[in-house]
Formats: sequence, structure tokens, C-alpha cells
Amino acid sequence: GQSLEQPSEVTAVEGAIVQINCTYQTSGFYGLSWYQQHDGGAPTFLSYNALDGLEETGRFSSFLSRSDSYGYLLLQELQMKDSASYFCAVRDGAKGNFNKFYFGSGTKLNVKP
Amino acid sequence: GAGVSQSPSNKVTEKGKDVELRCDPISGHTALYWYRQSLGQGLEFLIYFQGNSAPDKSGLPSDRFSAERTGGSVSTLTIQRTQQEDSAVYLCASSLGRNNNEQFFGPGTRLTVL
Repeated sequence: GQSLEQPSEVTAVEGAIVQINCTYQTSGFYGLSWYQQHDGGAPTFLSYNALDGLEETGRFSSFLSRSDSYGYLLLQELQMKDSASYFCAVRDGAKGNFNKFYFGSGTKLNVKP
Repeated sequence: GAGVSQSPSNKVTEKGKDVELRCDPISGHTALYWYRQSLGQGLEFLIYFQGNSAPDKSGLPSDRFSAERTGGSVSTLTIQRTQQEDSAVYLCASSLGRNNNEQFFGPGTRLTVL
């Protein structure tokens, strides 16, 4: 079956750095995405990694290691508005599953002053 | 520009009734996804439409669930004979095409089955 593992909750203080890990087991792999979802809101796209390495977009960076079936989202200079749930999602590359995205259960990030 | 819209925002229904949920994707987006999100959980893939191709229905949990997309734009998700376990937020997302990885999500429809 398909599984994605993320920590359920992380707490950090304003201005700090936090890393949210994601490990996955899927029948195929085409890429790893990250989404942010505020309470009651819609998920919004943050990043996508298809190749190994680090992708940086402002305060957010995303890392992928395909050999380890592992990725992480790094949030720097945390702000109160970063308090939200963060989901990793794998695009399944297996034949017949190319259009499927499997999502983790999400990590709730609490940023404290 | 306008984002993905969904209606209704909230739907309360009685067990056994049929419901229809609507999604208006971003204009020009050829790919459309439906997901289900139970409280505190991740998103569960339901169905995918790409242009005029046959949809990928492999995520639909039972034959009570169906979806259509008219004219390659608006989509309707229908749940027949609703059950209490169908209660969840139903999210629709669209993207530019099958090779585009960024999905734009609508605000969702919160379905409560009594």
C-alpha cells in the first residue's frame, strides 16, 4: 500500500527554524510536494521536488532524497502566520497511477511568541 | 483572477439522501481533482479529470460516489444514499495540465450526514 509518515505536531518559537520530515512508501514515485493549510482554509502549494537536493523559495526550503524515500520542509525565521498544517504529497509514478497524489496526514505547526 | 470555487460551502443532509457538490476550476486549467479530508487527516484522492480523457476513478470509495465534468470545466461530485461515514470536507483542485504539479484548491464543501 501507499504510506506517508509525518510528525503530527511540532512547536517552535517565532524567529526559529523548524524542519518537518516526511518519509514515504509508494508503488511509484514521480515527485514530492508540500502544501500549507491554515485552519478552515484550502491547501496552498509551497514546493515540489522531483530530483534529489534542496530547493529554496524565500524562507521555505524543501529537500528530497529519493534513495532514502525521505524529504523535509525547512521553515526559517518563523512567523506567527506560519502556524498551520503542512502536508507532504507524493505523485505516484507507477503506470496507471501517474495522476494520483498521495497525501500525508499533516503536521500541525504551532509558532509561539 | 478568480480561484477555484466550490458550492455549497456547507451541506447538512440526512442519512440516505443524495447530495451534489459543485466545483468551478480556474479558467484554462485542464486537470481537475476531487479529494476528501476527514477531520485532522490528510487528503484522500477520489477522482481525476484531464481534458476530455476518461477520468481516473480509482479513488472513489464505493459505487455510491460518482463525478462528471461538463465541457471540460465545471465538475459535480454526487454521493448517493449518503452514510454518516461520508461526513468530511470535499476539496476540489485544478492545475494547468497533467504534467503540472501545482494544484490550486478550492475552499471545500463541508458535508455533514446526520
